Amino acid sequence: AQSVTQPDIHITVSEGASLELRCNYSYGATPYLFWYVQSPGQGLQLLLKYFSGDTLVQGIKGFEAEFKRSQSSFNLRKPSVHWSDAAEYFCVTGGGADGLTFGKGTHLIIQP
Amino acid sequence: DAGVTQSPTHLIKTRGQHVTLRCSPISGHKSVSWYQQVLGQGPQFIFQYYEKEERGRGNFPDRFSARQFPNYSSELNVNALLLGDSALYLCASSFENTGELFFGEGSRLTVL
Repeated sequence: AQSVTQPDIHITVSEGASLELRCNYSYGATPYLFWYVQSPGQGLQLLLKYFSGDTLVQGIKGFEAEFKRSQSSFNLRKPSVHWSDAAEYFCVTGGGADGLTFGKGTHLIIQP
Repeated sequence: DAGVTQSPTHLIKTRGQHVTLRCSPISGHKSVSWYQQVLGQGPQFIFQYYEKEERGRGNFPDRFSARQFPNYSSELNVNALLLGDSALYLCASSFENTGELFFGEGSRLTVL
């Protein structure tokens, strides 16, 4: 079964600093991978997705992620975080009739 | 355009009761999925419906059921409520059977 692991439960970053959230996937073939963000009162929003092709994926709000098959990783990055980026971030795999499989999430805290 | 709407937003039930949660997808979307999010965890897949037929089911007991109506709206029913059913129930819609999911803000169920 497809699965993803997010090793960091909490991450604290200073405003303006760079960000990298880690995600490792477990799947034999090329997986479908996503990053979703969940903010209070705003529901889950798709940041970016990877199905195939270019391994560097650009998303909304200045986020990007890189698919690395050799490391089974799909880390999320942002060069400079803003206070509004504080939220819960989920690495996700799957889709279709099997549904999405979410990681446990990384809670991002932004220090002023 | 309206996003995915869910009702009610909050509700409190007692053990043994049943609950019906409702979801209206984005206009034009034919697929609706349901997820359960327990506090501190990532969402877990419950059901997917496409063109009014169940296309996928997660690992949930038969107390959970759902249906999709001709206008593509959907209901999630949970019978014989347990304390462990307390969670945020998320509905998501997509245009086709696979593809990007758009989530509603959820219905928060508390079982006492």
